[in-house]
Amino acid sequence: GQQLNQSPQSMFIQEGEDVSMNCTSSSIFNTWLWYKQDPGEGPVLLIALYKAGELTSNGRLTAQFGITRKDSFLNISASIPSDVGIYFCAGNTGANSKLTFGKGITLSVRP
Amino acid sequence: DVKVTQSSRYLVKRTGEKVFLECVQDMDHENMFWYRQDPGLGLRLIYFSYDVKMKEKGDIPEGYSVSREKKERFSLILESASTNQTSMYLCASTKERTSTGELFFGEGSRLTVL
Repeated sequence: GQQLNQSPQSMFIQEGEDVSMNCTSSSIFNTWLWYKQDPGEGPVLLIALYKAGELTSNGRLTAQFGITRKDSFLNISASIPSDVGIYFCAGNTGANSKLTFGKGITLSVRP
Repeated sequence: DVKVTQSSRYLVKRTGEKVFLECVQDMDHENMFWYRQDPGLGLRLIYFSYDVKMKEKGDIPEGYSVSREKKERFSLILESASTNQTSMYLCASTKERTSTGELFFGEGSRLTVL
């Protein structure tokens, strides 16, 4: 089946630093999405990307839909303690609303 | 705002018990999903439903069943709970069958099977 690769499993950064996360696949996706899960909560959508090459920002977050449609990245600038959580990438082939998720990256921010 | 509500945040059950996890969404969404989340494995789809009384298997349906008698409610059933079903269970919904995947998640139900 389709798989999305996110690594490493955990990242540790200092408050104020920028961080970038990648998500890659061997399959083409028509939509890429990034979700964040706060501790003890369900995932919440951060950014959705619909077109190859698209670059979208949401506050301190920037995400890009790769030209090949097989990858995406999420960048967080000037990290703050509340950025702590698990970041999931997800892809949709467009046939239905069923998503394929990556395994997630747990981000820790040291004050 | 869309609200997806899962009936229990924390449950502890014994091996062999029947377990019901309930999920309700209040925005008339057509599609509903059940995922389980385990450390290092991410989110894995158990079952989903595009309409009332309709269900489709996801990637890991074994040991689970679902029920969707009303549009707003999607229940996950463990007929005979086992310890390997200890996990976080997440319910999600999205508006239409052809939605591009913008899922709205509940807060999760953490199930421990002893």
